[in-house]
Amino acid sequence: DVKVTQSSRYLVKRTGEKVFLECVQDMDHENMFWYRQDPGLGLRLIYFSYDVKMKEKGDIPEGYSVSREKKERFSLILESASTNQTSMYLCASSSNAGGARETQYFGPGTRLLVL
Amino acid sequence: QKEVEQNSGPLSVPEGAIASLNCTYSDRGSQSFFWYRQYSGKSPELIMFIYSNGDKEDGRFTAQLNKASQYVSLLIRDSQPSDSATYLCAVKSGGSYIPTFGRGTSLIVHP
Repeated sequence: DVKVTQSSRYLVKRTGEKVFLECVQDMDHENMFWYRQDPGLGLRLIYFSYDVKMKEKGDIPEGYSVSREKKERFSLILESASTNQTSMYLCASSSNAGGARETQYFGPGTRLLVL
Repeated sequence: QKEVEQNSGPLSVPEGAIASLNCTYSDRGSQSFFWYRQYSGKSPELIMFIYSNGDKEDGRFTAQLNKASQYVSLLIRDSQPSDSATYLCAVKSGGSYIPTFGRGTSLIVHP
């Protein structure tokens, strides 16, 4: 079974703090993704990575950065947290192997509250 | 802009009935279609994948794909209260890393 883990389930931070969210997958997937999910807005892609050290902006990259130094690990960084970044953050990974194997598998999510 | 549309619901059905969830998409180049279930406060989990026109059945779930009309649907037979969740449709074009997600349909199965 594919397993995607995220470093924290719940996180409370202060405005202006630097926040690190980490994601690890154990299926040797090439692609990794960071989304945020807010009521009524659905899943919105922040960044994705298709290979080690490679990253591409998604739909809402402002205020975020990412790092992928190892294939299995993809980190999301909030440089200076703001209250409008309070959200559920979801990491996902997928393969390029074709067909059903290109399914995205999601981690359990991190619910971030910025005060 | 690739779009995936779902009725937000809620769709309310009685226990034991068939729940029918629909999804339309704009990109004619779409090749892979996914249905995810998401319980409140949890992350999405895959329940069905389909890529060929027609029906695909897995237990109580049937996915139906019609590429000419650009829609994909999910039928849940013998609906149970435990099926109450939000169902997300995702569509992916060939050669793309990234699926496009709909905003989801909320399903409520009442006893």
